[in-house]
Amino acid sequence: GAVVSQHPSRVICKSGTSVKIECRSLDFQATTMFWYRQFPKQSLMLMATSNEGSKATYEQGVEKDKFLINHASLTLSTLTVTSAHPEDSSFYICSARDPASGSYEQFFGPGTRLTVL
Amino acid sequence: RKEVEQDPGPFNVPEGATVAFNCTYSNSASQSFFWYRQDCRKEPKLLMSVYSSGNEDGRFTAQLNRASQYISLLIRDSKLSDSATYLCVVNRGGYGNKLVFGAGTILRVKS
Repeated sequence: GAVVSQHPSRVICKSGTSVKIECRSLDFQATTMFWYRQFPKQSLMLMATSNEGSKATYEQGVEKDKFLINHASLTLSTLTVTSAHPEDSSFYICSARDPASGSYEQFFGPGTRLTVL
Repeated sequence: RKEVEQDPGPFNVPEGATVAFNCTYSNSASQSFFWYRQDCRKEPKLLMSVYSSGNEDGRFTAQLNRASQYISLLIRDSKLSDSATYLCVVNRGGYGNKLVFGAGTILRVKS
């Protein structure tokens, strides 16, 4: 199947700093990527849909000024958690769909574990 | 009510057992359905898609009942390596083809 990478895999930062997470589709072009967040013992919750060349679409309750998404190319989307606070500590996962495949399957990155002190 | 509901478990079963997971979804416009597996602190991985006609992949059988908005997963001859959280996932369709995840069912297979 298609491969999606994420970087970094883990980050620990101080409260008030900003953290950028990268999501790359390695062997396909993804016009759409998705960003999810997963708190302990909970399921994945979609935060936003990242569209190449246009603004991201955010889910209800997700602050777009707090979680900045940039999808500047067909293989890269970035999520920046601005002024991170301890409550932002979570597992952030991106996914991408390969439009050329004709399938709805989404391929997930390995996730980024964010800990804000 | 959650859009996708699952029994959280945990299901504790011995090796070799048959175990069944159920899932219901509330959006009748949902277009496609999946079971994902998630190991602790890892990303979800697609286990199988679910079709109305039912489909089987080795020891795994998935069923979809659109009229009842119900999805199931049957695992036969459970292995220790099947221990994981199983996520019922529904594609809402529409713009962006958003996936909605159930909270997951925990399976623990013991020797």
